[in-house]
Amino acid sequence: GQSLEQPSEVTAVEGAIVQINCTYQTSGFYGLSWYQQHDGGAPTFLSYNGLDGLEETGRFSSFLSRSDSYGYLLLQELQMKDSASYFCASRYSSASKIIFGSGTRLSIRP
Amino acid sequence: DTAVSQTPKYLVTQMGNDKSIKCEQNLGHDTMYWYKQDSKKFLKIMFSYNNKELIINETVPNRFSPKSPDKAHLNLHINSLELGDSAVYFCASSQGASGTYEQYFGPGTRLTVT
Repeated sequence: GQSLEQPSEVTAVEGAIVQINCTYQTSGFYGLSWYQQHDGGAPTFLSYNGLDGLEETGRFSSFLSRSDSYGYLLLQELQMKDSASYFCASRYSSASKIIFGSGTRLSIRP
Repeated sequence: DTAVSQTPKYLVTQMGNDKSIKCEQNLGHDTMYWYKQDSKKFLKIMFSYNNKELIINETVPNRFSPKSPDKAHLNLHINSLELGDSAVYFCASSQGASGTYEQYFGPGTRLTVT
């Protein structure tokens, strides 16, 4: 079946750059979204890639490569408030359902 | 000013009871969703409505029944609650049903079944 895979945990240092990868199955793939969720909070939308390439929004960028069936979220100039879980998500037309990855917990050290 | 609101925020109940969670969005979106997030933070879609019509119905027990009286509201009724239903339930909305559009999530309802 369709699925998205991402690392369960990533640790980085404040001020650094971190990349969170997401690989997916290709059949019926529409595009890749990224969401941030702080502990106790709701997921909030960060970005969407419908086409190959890089989308930049401030300190956050997202990339998609359909030929490699993978994308990533890039966070620059990390701040302590970026400590959260990050989810990639997509819709697959054949299953008509929206699938979220299992989430990557990003921990930031001073 | 809340975009997507849910009530209640917390719900503690006993096994076998029936409960409802309400969701409202004031964004003018035409698509609404219910998600379940378990203790491992795995987020899974349960239902989706587009203009009051059910378009996604995942494999969830038929004890769960969504109802959309209008496109701004999507309620979730759960019969005969079980321990495994304990989770955080999120309502969300988006403009468009393709899933590619940005989804706005409500604050969540933490359901605890004892």
